[in-house]
Amino acid sequence: QQPVQSPQAVILREGEDAVINCSSSKALYSVHWYRQKHGEAPIFLMILLKGGEQKGHDKISASFNEKKQQSSLYLTASQLSYSGTYFCGTVNYGGSQGNLIFGKGTKLSVKP
Amino acid sequence: DSGVTQTPKHLITATGQRVTLRCSPRSGDLSVYWYQQSLDQGLQFLIQYYNGEERAKGNILERFSAQQFPDLHSELNLSSLELGDSALYFCASSVGLAGAGNEQFFGPGTRLTVL
Repeated sequence: QQPVQSPQAVILREGEDAVINCSSSKALYSVHWYRQKHGEAPIFLMILLKGGEQKGHDKISASFNEKKQQSSLYLTASQLSYSGTYFCGTVNYGGSQGNLIFGKGTKLSVKP
Repeated sequence: DSGVTQTPKHLITATGQRVTLRCSPRSGDLSVYWYQQSLDQGLQFLIQYYNGEERAKGNILERFSAQQFPDLHSELNLSSLELGDSALYFCASSVGLAGAGNEQFFGPGTRLTVL
């Protein structure tokens, strides 16, 4: 079951904050976040394994609400380098738990 | 550089033809995944191999097949190609399974154009 990401696209000015949401209709085992620049390979950001887990790297952090079957990615004080498409990938309970199903992505554009 | 290599980088072919895409995972990674990404679309999971065996299948067409060899490299075979098969095909690898918290490392992709 493909997770749903929102918003589909967002435009920010440098220094502004953004939140990207990822939700699933099925119980989530884990959530993985990736960023892809145009024409390039996706790059790993972080994995959240447990309900309630929060992680952060520099000014990018994420949370995982297992009960609500959703995860949110927080980008604080955005930089030009944050531009790209963000994908969440989910592992559902009951599946093979070996592979990720990715959402359609959220396109983030950061302007000077 | 993720350590995952894919060849060729670009491939242009005609409808009805057959092509093979090759992927070499990072050293030590046992799991290989194949994804299809059409223009401005998300990453569609095709198939996964783990240590030589098929582990999971996504929306892979019957015209497509894949395998993972004893040296862990993988090949994706696309046959009876149609215009709609034009896309960027990514290979990714990981040490173990996604559910165990293993991150995937993506190769640079093969851009397939079917004319």
